[in-house]
Amino acid sequence: AQSVAQPEDQVNVAEGNPLTVKCTYSVSGNPYLFWYVQYPNRGLQFLLKYITGDNLVKGSYGFEAEFNKSQTSFHLKKPSALVSDSALYFCAVRDAGNNRKLIWGLGTSLAVNP
Amino acid sequence: EAGVAQSPRYKIIEKRQSVAFWCNPISGHATLYWYQQILGQGPKLLIQFQNNGVVDDSQLPKDRFSAERLKGVDSTLKIQPAKLEDSAVYLCASSLEITGLTFGSGTRLTVV
Repeated sequence: AQSVAQPEDQVNVAEGNPLTVKCTYSVSGNPYLFWYVQYPNRGLQFLLKYITGDNLVKGSYGFEAEFNKSQTSFHLKKPSALVSDSALYFCAVRDAGNNRKLIWGLGTSLAVNP
Repeated sequence: EAGVAQSPRYKIIEKRQSVAFWCNPISGHATLYWYQQILGQGPKLLIQFQNNGVVDDSQLPKDRFSAERLKGVDSTLKIQPAKLEDSAVYLCASSLEITGLTFGSGTRLTVV
């Protein structure tokens, strides 16, 4: 069965420090992986995706994520956090096969402190 | 490119009343999703359409919720009758086959 885990409910980092939001997944076939962000009182926004190719994917707002097949992980990273990055982050996975169902993680609340 | 349009933005109704939400996806996006997001939680898929066919409605409470996507474009989601626990943000999203989802601004429903 497909599943996504975001092991941390909350991540706190100081502004200017690097940040990592963790995501691990389980699918039977090849994964399509996604990160979404939800700013306070706003809708969900697509950040980046991994479909195939280079394991390091770059997305919006300076975020990037690394696909690690052996560890079945797709951690979201940013070299230098901004206070404005404070938001809810969701990881999602879909099996590349015929099953079009997108499975969502429970979300990680990122707080960047000035 | 125009985004996903949803209306209304806000709705307050009494329990046992009915309500309908409307969504217009991005032109050309074959896949349309309705999600329910309760405050502080992740989105929960209610129904997924591929063109005008249903791909997944396993989490749709079919005794009170219904959705349709006529002609494979616009979609409506209806709740009848509403319960207090239906208070949430209802998000519509659309996508091409392997792109990320583009979400609308959502409809915030309050059932009193």
